[in-house]
Amino acid sequence: EIVLTQSPDTLSLSPGERATLSCRASRSVSNFYLAWYQQKPGQSPRLLIYGASNRATDIPDRFSGSGSGTDFTLTISRLEPEDFAVYYCQQYGSSLTFGGGTKVEIK
Amino acid sequence: QVQLQESGPGLVKPSETLSLSCTVTGGSISSFYWGWVRQSPGKGLEWIGSLSYSGSTSYNPSLKSRVTISVDTSKNHFSLRLSSVTAADTAVYYCARVVVGWFDRWGQGTLLTVSS
Repeated sequence: EIVLTQSPDTLSLSPGERATLSCRASRSVSNFYLAWYQQKPGQSPRLLIYGASNRATDIPDRFSGSGSGTDFTLTISRLEPEDFAVYYCQQYGSSLTFGGGTKVEIK
Repeated sequence: QVQLQESGPGLVKPSETLSLSCTVTGGSISSFYWGWVRQSPGKGLEWIGSLSYSGSTSYNPSLKSRVTISVDTSKNHFSLRLSSVTAADTAVYYCARVVVGWFDRWGQGTLLTVSS
């Protein structure tokens, strides 16, 4: 099983700032098979990124994904008030696993 | 626009079997894969399993011995059965559409509590 470790656990930032979230895999994720989701309290997760760097439908371009192998990053270029949420990475290269999440909170 | 809706009992007793259903509207259940993900209170996401419209399945190894996912294309829905439940199975259960390996459409989730 590929274990995904997300860091930091919590990111305290102000609106307008840049957010950089990390997702590290215990072994290489094949074919860039990594996705990112956003989840707000009381809501279902929302797909942001698939294939490590492809934005899902209707996702603003301030969200971007990068990385390969064992190290992946989700970047939010300028935080909007609605971006404060929990973010999860997920790999689907070998079975399917999620990371533990990073909470982006208002500083 | 495809929408998914979970339905289930809300409360199950320990050692019993949990049964949930996911109805797909706004599109056919055929030609896609579908899956179940759960989230324990205050915790992260856990994949339970996935299946194709033709019925082929894959399961989380940690749950495989207790899980069955099936599809009924005539009713445009798919189901989850989880046997021998314990308090550790208390969670919000989501059904979702699977594309390649990511989940692009999610149901609103249903809370399942295991308690006597």
